Amino acid sequence: DAKTTQPPSMDCAEGRAANLPCNHSTISGNEYVYWYRQIHSQGPQYIIHGLKNNETNEMASLIITEDRKSSTLILPHATLRDTAVYYCIVISADSWGKLQFGAGTQVVVTP
Amino acid sequence: DVKVTQSSRYLVKRTGEKVFLECVQDMDHENMFWYRQDPGLGLRLIYFSYDVKMKEKGDIPEGYSVSREKKERFSLILESASTNQTSMYLCASRHRGRVGTDTQYFGPGTRLTVL
Repeated sequence: DAKTTQPPSMDCAEGRAANLPCNHSTISGNEYVYWYRQIHSQGPQYIIHGLKNNETNEMASLIITEDRKSSTLILPHATLRDTAVYYCIVISADSWGKLQFGAGTQVVVTP
Repeated sequence: DVKVTQSSRYLVKRTGEKVFLECVQDMDHENMFWYRQDPGLGLRLIYFSYDVKMKEKGDIPEGYSVSREKKERFSLILESASTNQTSMYLCASRHRGRVGTDTQYFGPGTRLTVL
């Protein structure tokens, strides 16, 4: 599976949009981009995933560049409960399911 | 609402004890996973199960065994607990579906301390 690179941390003001970047320059054609987050002392939580089109659900939006070498997770109106470590990972379509998280981005939402 | 539950949030055991960690999912998922998470080492797969009575070793199976007698339940067993097994243990489940459906649902985790 392709590696990903994320900034180690970022701050966001409550009510503002949080834009989390992720680089995956070695992604191959059958690999999906997945985002999970982990609130302190809790299990990871799935957020969203995509292949090449932009995706949106009730939690977030995922913007994938045309060359698929990077993506951005957007939390449209950050709340204090969005403070967490966010993980961007790339998973092959024929993967048997093992997840491997990198260091992720520690997002702190401040009042 | 999907749910994965783990038998304990916090557990303290002594070296040499046999430890059972239970995980139950209510989503009728075929695949279930046991991970451990340690600072600086990230998430590491211990064992996984494709379906009932099936199990496969992950990356760090030594010192652990698993049991999957029913579809909804996946147990992790530490045969003789050691201090280096002090960790956060996470259970996850996944529906075995079409490609691109790799969403795993995690339980709240069990923080195990071995003294």
